[in-house]
Amino acid sequence: EIVLTQSPGTLSLSPGERATLSCRASQSITAGYLAWYQQKPGQAPRLLIYSASSRATGIPDRFSGSGSGADFTLTISRLEPEDFAVYYCQLFGSSPLFTFGPGTKVDVK
Amino acid sequence: QVQLQESGPGLVRPSDTLSLTCTVSGGSINGYYWSWIRQSGGRGLQWMGRIYSSGTTHYNPALSSRLTLSADTSKNQLSLTLSSATAADTAVYYCARMGATKVEDSWTGLRHDFWGHGTLVTVSS
Repeated sequence: EIVLTQSPGTLSLSPGERATLSCRASQSITAGYLAWYQQKPGQAPRLLIYSASSRATGIPDRFSGSGSGADFTLTISRLEPEDFAVYYCQLFGSSPLFTFGPGTKVDVK
Repeated sequence: QVQLQESGPGLVRPSDTLSLTCTVSGGSINGYYWSWIRQSGGRGLQWMGRIYSSGTTHYNPALSSRLTLSADTSKNQLSLTLSSATAADTAVYYCARMGATKVEDSWTGLRHDFWGHGTLVTVSS
């Protein structure tokens, strides 16, 4: 089973700042199988990025994804007040078919 | 816009069977895979399994001995049953549509593009 590690666990930033979130797999993966989600308290996760770098429908262009091999990054270019949330990466793999990282919380500094 | 709504008992007794339904509106369940995903404080997000509209299933090996997924295309509903429930099954349960992008002869961009709001199930006596 491929394990996903996310860092940092918590990122404390101010509105307007740039956020860089990391997702690292325990082995090299296919970029096409890596997705990112945002989750706010009391809400379901919301798809942001799929295939490592493709924005989902309706997602603002301040969100971008990149990476290859085992290292992937979600970048929020300028944090808006509504961006403070928990972010998860997700991998489509073999067994189990989908695994999620433990999440990175972006909170207000 | 596709909408999903989970429903079922909020309280289940230990050793009983946990049963949930996901009703899909704004689109058909036909032609898609549908996942069940749960979230608890202790285990984060856990993918439980998926079902295709035709009934083909794939389960998380950690749950496969207790989990059954089904689909009712006439009602546009999905169902989950998890037998022998324990406190460790206490979680928010989500159903989600699995999206994908076809590139030549293969599928990529596997993701969960529509989610229900989730339903909290507590396993307790």
